[in-house]
Amino acid sequence: GQNIDQPTEMTATEGAIVQINCTYQTSGFNGLFWYQQHAGEAPTFLSYNVLDGLEEKGRFSSFLSRSKGYSYLLLKELQMKDSASYLCAVNREDSSYKLIFGSGTRLLVRP
Amino acid sequence: NAGVTQTPKFRILKIGQSMTLQCTQDMNHNYMYWYRQDPGMGLKLIYYSVGAGITDKGEVPNGYNVSRSTTEDFPLRLELAAPSQTSVYFCASSRGEGRNQPQHFGDGTRLSIL
Repeated sequence: GQNIDQPTEMTATEGAIVQINCTYQTSGFNGLFWYQQHAGEAPTFLSYNVLDGLEEKGRFSSFLSRSKGYSYLLLKELQMKDSASYLCAVNREDSSYKLIFGSGTRLLVRP
Repeated sequence: NAGVTQTPKFRILKIGQSMTLQCTQDMNHNYMYWYRQDPGMGLKLIYYSVGAGITDKGEVPNGYNVSRSTTEDFPLRLELAAPSQTSVYFCASSRGEGRNQPQHFGDGTRLSIL
């Protein structure tokens, strides 16, 4: 079956660093996406990984280990506006580019 | 840029009623998707389309239908609304043509079935 696991909630302090983990077991793998979703809004694209290693994009970085079925999203210099849900999604195949989403991690950034 | 536009934003239906959720995109994307998101959960794929005239089922298609007569439009139809279909519905599109192409989402339709 398809399974993507993320922690339900995390809390962190403004200015700190937080790591949001995602583990997956899927039949087929063609990349992993991270999306940010503020309450009541649409998901917006943050990052994409298909090869092992770290992808850095400003304050956000994403890491992938295909052999371990594991990814994390690293948020540095946290800001209050980073309070949101973070969704991990796996692309299983190239023909349709369908995504399987995890349930999301709700991050609360406190002053 | 309008991107992906969904209408209506909110709707309340009675059990057994029917309605169509509209979705249109102006990015000339071939691939379009419909998801539902229940409170505190991730997105579940309902239906998807890889081009005009081609549609296929996702994870949770029961109770829904779609059509794709043009590249721009991908409406989702609920034929006999049930309380279990109370959810937030998101439409998304992507270029496809490369597995790193992200999906772009509309603002969602919040649907309550009473």
